[in-house]
Amino acid sequence: SQQGEEDPQALSIQEGENATMNCSYKTSINNLQWYRQNSGRGLVHLILIRSNEREKHSGRLRVTLDTSKKSSSLLITASRAADTASYFCATDARAAGNKLTFGGGTRVLVKP
Amino acid sequence: ETGVTQSPTHLIKTRGQQVTLRCSSQSGHNTVSWYQQALGQGPQFIFQYYREEENGRGNFPPRFSGLQFPNYSSELNVNALELDDSALYLCASSLASIFSTRAGYGYTFGSGTRLTVV
Repeated sequence: SQQGEEDPQALSIQEGENATMNCSYKTSINNLQWYRQNSGRGLVHLILIRSNEREKHSGRLRVTLDTSKKSSSLLITASRAADTASYFCATDARAAGNKLTFGGGTRVLVKP
Repeated sequence: ETGVTQSPTHLIKTRGQQVTLRCSSQSGHNTVSWYQQALGQGPQFIFQYYREEENGRGNFPPRFSGLQFPNYSSELNVNALELDDSALYLCASSLASIFSTRAGYGYTFGSGTRLTVV
């Protein structure tokens, strides 16, 4: 079973709106990372949040981490058509040998 | 954009054959990981190498094997291909290792090799 599970599985929004997706995980982590994937190509690293951090910003991205609830959220503000992609959370846990464990992803469609 | 290159980009093989996929990692990244991504799913960890030694393996059979070379390149070998091996295979490199995990490093992924087994 996968460590991270994203919610929702799919999201459709209008350009300019905000997109929020959530990730839940099961075990203690060192850090949690978010990646974007366009049309089945390689993954692009977006942002990493460490277990002792609660919130992090990068441009139009805002990530939160709640270790007590074992959950994270990714907010994309003022979305653009170019944000259309699949978004994955991945956990890095020492107990898992420091490999990345991915969730199933959220497919985001931003309509112009 | 990416410092990780994979070859080939696409490959068609027949069931029972063997395949070798290649990856050139970002310079200085001692850790390389390989992932399998089936259509519509998240990547699944196959194994990880650190300084040419395997230091982590996912739930994949022994017919999946790998090598990492001193020049930051690596290979994924799959023997006795099955239809279910059809997937996108992703290579990722990082400064992360079991010794540096608390520093928190992201991974740089290649664009992947699309393998189709017929």
